Amino acid sequence: ETGVTQSPTHLIKTRGQQVTLRCSSQSGHNTVSWYQQALGQGPQFIFQYYREEENGRGNFPPRFSGLQFPNYSSELNVNALELDDSALYLCASSRQGYNQPQHFGDGTRLSIL
Amino acid sequence: QKEVEQDPGPLSVPEGAIVSLNCTYSNSAFQYFMWYRQYSRKGPELLMYTYSSGNKEDGRFTAQVDKSSKYISLFIRDSQPSDSATYLCAMSLPFSGAGSYQLTFGKGTKLSVIP
Repeated sequence: ETGVTQSPTHLIKTRGQQVTLRCSSQSGHNTVSWYQQALGQGPQFIFQYYREEENGRGNFPPRFSGLQFPNYSSELNVNALELDDSALYLCASSRQGYNQPQHFGDGTRLSIL
Repeated sequence: QKEVEQDPGPLSVPEGAIVSLNCTYSNSAFQYFMWYRQYSRKGPELLMYTYSSGNKEDGRFTAQVDKSSKYISLFIRDSQPSDSATYLCAMSLPFSGAGSYQLTFGKGTKLSVIP
């Protein structure tokens, strides 16, 4: 069983640029959630995708957007990058349902200069 | 007040010790309670997953939930150097009518088990 995979592992950008991060969900999972983890903090929920639509969203501005594809993989896009966007971006996949646990990939570390 | 409070440590114990990690929470809408382990430069790995108040055991790990006190714990018996990691508590908050949920995490407790 293949786990959650994310790419790239590390990315360096400058302020104002745009970035796209990618996630392949675990086999059998149809729901993808994205989290931002700042250094020394717990992950914070950005949004979730199910059936190619945004299912729920945390307290993040509209410049954070996403997509889900028919094969359940997903992208996170961030426009107009700010220094505070420097963080580890985690993708988690699960089956749909309140009792289905979320399983995480190893993340993409984004550094903004 | 944050919704989930977790002492960030660091916590250092000798090999073989019993480790106790704790979180408190304020939101009564939290439904499921989880513990994740995160090694350096890795993503969180699910360790324990519980719903009801009470204890759940899996090998050397025991998760305890007390919904009346809004308090959860993770106990690690016979701790090993390989247990050295950051431990994150997480709680599920259902989306209204959407059949799914988001996770709310504590800050994580950094544990070191000294040989």
